[in-house]
Amino acid sequence: AQSVTQLDSQVPVFEEAPVELRCNYSSSVSVYLFWYVQYPNQGLQLLLKYLSGSTLVESINGFEAEFNKSQTSFHLRKPSVHISDTAEYFCAGDYGGSQGNLIFGKGTKLSVKP
Amino acid sequence: KAGVTQTPRYLIKTRGQQVTLSCSPISGHRSVSWYQQTPGQGLQFLFEYFSETQRNKGNFPGRFSGRQFSNSRSEMNVSTLELGDSALYLCASGQGRANTGELFFGEGSRLTVL
Repeated sequence: AQSVTQLDSQVPVFEEAPVELRCNYSSSVSVYLFWYVQYPNQGLQLLLKYLSGSTLVESINGFEAEFNKSQTSFHLRKPSVHISDTAEYFCAGDYGGSQGNLIFGKGTKLSVKP
Repeated sequence: KAGVTQTPRYLIKTRGQQVTLSCSPISGHRSVSWYQQTPGQGLQFLFEYFSETQRNKGNFPGRFSGRQFSNSRSEMNVSTLELGDSALYLCASGQGRANTGELFFGEGSRLTVL
């Protein structure tokens, strides 16, 4: 069965420090990967996505992720975090069965401290 | 363009009751998916509807059901509520074609079962 694994449930970091949130996915011939962010009492918002093409994808607020097929990873990185980045981040995979059926990781709570 | 709208946002029920949650997708989207989010299990796929037909179903008991109307609006129903059904129920809409991109999530309906 397909699966998405987020290796850290919580990541504390100081403001302006770099951060990496790790995500591994089960290998498949075809997989598309997403990072979503969830702020308290809100739904999920798409942060970035890998569908095809360049393996490095970026978001408008400075996050980036690299699709690594050999290591089956899709880690999320940001070189300098802000207090406002405090949220829960979810990695998700679309294995082609249906757009509506994403496989989610358990989530990583990013806590940015001043 | 209006986002995904879920109603009600919060509700409290007692064991044995039933509940109906509503979701209005983004205009033009024909796919509506439902997810259950709990601290212990994370995000779990319930079902997906496309053009009024259930296209996919997750591993939930038959007490969980849903439907989609001709205008793409969707409802989900949970009968004979149990304490473990307390969760945030998220609705997501999409174009409905596999590997075409992200899902757009509503803010969720938070159900508390007493």
